[in-house]
Amino acid sequence: QVQLVESGGGVVQPGGSLRLSCAVSGFSLNSYGMHWVRQAPGKGLEWVAFIRYDGSNGSNKYYAASVKGRFTISRDNSKNTVYLQMNSLRTEDTAVYYCAKIAGGSSPFDPWGQGTLVTVSS
Amino acid sequence: DIQMTQSPSTLSASVGDRVTITCRASQSISSWLAWYQQKPGKAPKLLIYKASSLESGVPSRFSGSGSGTEFTLTISSLQPDDFATYYCQQYNSLWTFGQGTKVEIK
Repeated sequence: QVQLVESGGGVVQPGGSLRLSCAVSGFSLNSYGMHWVRQAPGKGLEWVAFIRYDGSNGSNKYYAASVKGRFTISRDNSKNTVYLQMNSLRTEDTAVYYCAKIAGGSSPFDPWGQGTLVTVSS
Repeated sequence: DIQMTQSPSTLSASVGDRVTITCRASQSISSWLAWYQQKPGKAPKLLIYKASSLESGVPSRFSGSGSGTEFTLTISSLQPDDFATYYCQQYNSLWTFGQGTKVEIK
């Protein structure tokens, strides 16, 4: 059974940093691309970042314009975990952050984790 | 960047109604479109992929159609469990979601 479990959310001051983790089980992480998507309170879904199955270098990572240069996506296949390092956080980064798996190539997001809440506030 | 526009933003309907949600892309995305259902406090759930393919386990009252820039999600007979927010998403060029359509009880 495929499972994705996010962790690492919390309250952080503007300008601070936080690292989110997405632990996966039920499949081999090294064969699949992974996404991060966020949802601000009461708002819609916003794609944040993607790492290809072979995402060991920068050319295999993609970022939304709103987070480029501040957020970094990475993966540790040996730990079956994907990370989102978030630096220079702003109040507008407050959201529930979800990780999601894709099957490969052009694929929808399925499944999704349960999400972890990040609150950026002074 | 490809923009996705859903309409309506909110839809009031009754159990048994036929419901249609529209999604428009700012440029052609072929059939690289998915629909998701989200309930309060829960993660989105995939319903339809490649514009018209029904995800395994999703009731057959859900259907999708369209290609290019115009797409629709139809619920043939609305059930109590279907009151939720629905999002379209393009995955032709990077990834973009529509702003969502909330289906509420009339």
